[in-house]
Amino acid sequence: EVQLLESGGGLVQPGGSLRLSCVASGFTFSNYAMGWVRQAPGKGLEWVSDISGSGGNTFYADSVRGRFTISRDNSKNTLYLQMNSLRVEDTAVYYCAKEGGSGSYGHLDYWGQGTLVTVSS
Amino acid sequence: DVVLTQSPLSLPVTLGQPASISCRSSQSLVYSDGITYLTWFQQRPGQSPRRLIYKVSNRDSGVPDRFSGSGSGTDFTLKISRVEAEDVGVYYCMQGTRWPLTFGQGTRLEIK
Repeated sequence: EVQLLESGGGLVQPGGSLRLSCVASGFTFSNYAMGWVRQAPGKGLEWVSDISGSGGNTFYADSVRGRFTISRDNSKNTLYLQMNSLRVEDTAVYYCAKEGGSGSYGHLDYWGQGTLVTVSS
Repeated sequence: DVVLTQSPLSLPVTLGQPASISCRSSQSLVYSDGITYLTWFQQRPGQSPRRLIYKVSNRDSGVPDRFSGSGSGTDFTLKISRVEAEDVGVYYCMQGTRWPLTFGQGTRLEIK
């Protein structure tokens, strides 16, 4: 059974940093690209970032490029999202999601339960 | 960016009646491999999104057969043949053909 468990959310001041983690189980982690999708309170879904199975290719939404960094540690079955220079508008539940293959994107077939990031002074 | 426009945004439905949600794209979603990467998700209240349909019309494992997807090019539809109480929630279409991945605004299905 595929399981994705996010952690690392919390309250942070504008301009601060936070690192999210997502531990995966139930599949061969290194064989699949992974992604992050966020949802602001009461709003819709917004794709944030994707990374290939090897970690060699990364993709970002314009709204986070240059501030957020996606990475993975395949030895630990863990996906990360380093978030710097956080803004109030980054407040959201952040979901990690599994993609369809190592270099296959836009599938998002399994999702975690999400972790809430609140950016506020 | 590809813009996905869903309609309606709110969908009150009587139990046992059909429901239909439209998703229109600002560009063709046919990828260079000939496949159309249009996906439908369901988000029940208080839950994470769940994928229902991928590549326009393929149902995920465990998804009831009352859900079906259809369409081509820029025009897509999610249909529920007979709405049940557990179908309440928000439905999103998403395209995976072009970066960045984009979602529709969501359609809130409620029981009338």
